[in-house]
Amino acid sequence: DTAVSQTPKYLVTQMGNDKSIKCEQNLGHDTMYWYKQDSKKFLKIMFSYNNKELIINETVPNRFSPKSPDKAHLNLHINSLELGDSAVYFCASSLRLAGTDTQYFGPGTRLTVL
Amino acid sequence: GENVEQHPSTLSVQEGDSAVIKCTYSDSASNYFPWYKQELGKGPQLIIDIRSNVGEKKDQRIAVTLNKTAKHFSLHITETQPEDSAVYFCAASTGGGADGLTFGKGTHLIIQP
Repeated sequence: DTAVSQTPKYLVTQMGNDKSIKCEQNLGHDTMYWYKQDSKKFLKIMFSYNNKELIINETVPNRFSPKSPDKAHLNLHINSLELGDSAVYFCASSLRLAGTDTQYFGPGTRLTVL
Repeated sequence: GENVEQHPSTLSVQEGDSAVIKCTYSDSASNYFPWYKQELGKGPQLIIDIRSNVGEKKDQRIAVTLNKTAKHFSLHITETQPEDSAVYFCAASTGGGADGLTFGKGTHLIIQP
């Protein structure tokens, strides 16, 4: 059984388009995250989402918006895609909003902007 | 904010030998230090972690050491096997979950047969 799942696994799109990536966790966790991994494998937090509270990393452009219909889902919507958005995006979850709780990562979504 | 430096970026060892990956962190308030393994095409997976009240932790062939005074921690893998080939990330956290984990830039570990 997959703990944290993401769809799609691959996403290829044109500059200027709007796209969404979906994430679901079946671990019963309260907190979910989005990370971006660039071409050099550097992993950086984008958002934390806990109990309807969104914590935004200030370096994330406002073209990126997470949406959570319920505690088990945290989707990432991206407007006006740019070439620099090409990366692998990982969803993760943890039991609580506590930096010492293990984070479980999804398999990633590779986004390519042409 | 926290800054985590990780070395080396690439490490090649012979099968059966040991591998050591080192990380330093900048924020003295950090108190949780996990290590993640990322295999090709997959998401990072926790392999071991250590908290600031512990100096060393072992789990079979894997061990992590922490020196709070020097603000560095290391991953040790003994008797390396082909399946150990992957990218390894160290991370640090102050315990405040809103900041997430601050990751090092990763070490590509290659096990030579």
